[in-house]
Amino acid sequence: SQTIHQWPATLVQPVGSPLSLECTVEGTSNPNLYWYRQAAGRGLQLLFYSVGIGQISSEVPQNLSASRPQDRQFILSSKKLLLSDSGFYLCAWERGLAGEQYFGPGTRLTVT
Amino acid sequence: GQQVMQIPQYQHVQEGEDFTTYCNSSTTLSNIQWYKQRPGGHPVFLIQLVKSGEVKKQKRLTFQFGEAKKNSSLHITATQTTDVGTYFCAGNDYKLSFGAGTTVTVRA
Repeated sequence: SQTIHQWPATLVQPVGSPLSLECTVEGTSNPNLYWYRQAAGRGLQLLFYSVGIGQISSEVPQNLSASRPQDRQFILSSKKLLLSDSGFYLCAWERGLAGEQYFGPGTRLTVT
Repeated sequence: GQQVMQIPQYQHVQEGEDFTTYCNSSTTLSNIQWYKQRPGGHPVFLIQLVKSGEVKKQKRLTFQFGEAKKNSSLHITATQTTDVGTYFCAGNDYKLSFGAGTTVTVRA
């Protein structure tokens, strides 16, 4: 069966520090992968998606970047965090084309 | 671009009562999905509707896709405390767009 991992689960970082969040998927190959951000009590904002290694599409211009160095690995990064980067970051993989998405447990990021 | 609107934003329900949450898209959708996020958790896929007018049931949850494939509803009967959480619809034309969600609280 397929599983999706994210780490760390929680993170507190100072403004201006770098960020690296990792997401890995097991049990499937060549999945579509997604990064979302959720502000407290709000909906899901799509940040990036990837249909294959090295292929990244950005949905919202911002302080973040994404990379996909391996088929089942998706990384979210920032060189310098802003206060507004705080939130709940969720990685998801998509089953098939226009299929359902399965989310990882998420990383709660607080920028202080 | 595609926009998906959900109403109400909050739903406070007495245990045992029924309620409905609605989802409307600005464009015609190829399918619509529903997810549930428990407090402190991550969204979990519930169901996908594809056909015009489709109705699917999962125990006390009834999902419906509109005839024009631009709206959907989720109806929960006999609400229980386990129904607490935020329910998101996600409309799919060329990509998935999530609504803002309906957050449900239950009074015992």
